[in-house]
Amino acid sequence: EAGVAQSPRYKIIEKRQSVAFWCNPISGHATLYWYQQILGQGPKLLIQFQNNGVVDDSQLPKDRFSAERLKGVDSTLKIQPAKLEDSAVYLCASSPLLLRSYNEQFFGPGTRLTVL
Amino acid sequence: SQQGEEDPQALSIQEGENATMNCSYKTSINNLQWYRQNSGRGLVHLILIRSNEREKHSGRLRVTLDTSKKSSSLLITASRAADTASYFCATDGNTDKLIFGTGTRLQVFP
Repeated sequence: EAGVAQSPRYKIIEKRQSVAFWCNPISGHATLYWYQQILGQGPKLLIQFQNNGVVDDSQLPKDRFSAERLKGVDSTLKIQPAKLEDSAVYLCASSPLLLRSYNEQFFGPGTRLTVL
Repeated sequence: SQQGEEDPQALSIQEGENATMNCSYKTSINNLQWYRQNSGRGLVHLILIRSNEREKHSGRLRVTLDTSKKSSSLLITASRAADTASYFCATDGNTDKLIFGTGTRLQVFP
């Protein structure tokens, strides 16, 4: 079974530039998550999709971050414009269950973003 | 905000020794999960324990849960150099999303 795919793996940009990350979840997984992991901390949930609808985006800085999951499969996360504090690893995860997180989440390798 | 706090923040042991790390959380939960993260394999699920369970085993892993104290522990027995990684607990806070702790960095020396 193929895992969660993410690209690019690394990205370096200047502040105020834009950047986009792509995620392809495990086939058949209805729920998709984007996390931000700052160095030395645990992952923090940014947004959760169930199929192509947003379940929770309460911690997404909506003035600069946006995400979509068209057709309920792959997803993109965009930052526009980037700030220095956005430097982090952006993790995508998927889960097969629609409701309570009784099952594990499967994580992709992440995209390491450096904002200069 | 982080729901859980792992303790210790860092742990160094020799191969063959046991490693114990603890997690404390703040709200009621349906389940608690432990994940491992290293540079080679990213974030990987290790074990899930439900709120009505007190102990669970998986290979060399033993997890305990005390909901009255809002705490959990992860024991890795007979550690190996390959166990070197950061370990995170994650709780669902009675919702359908996970909140991760701050992590314990484990170093196992050959």
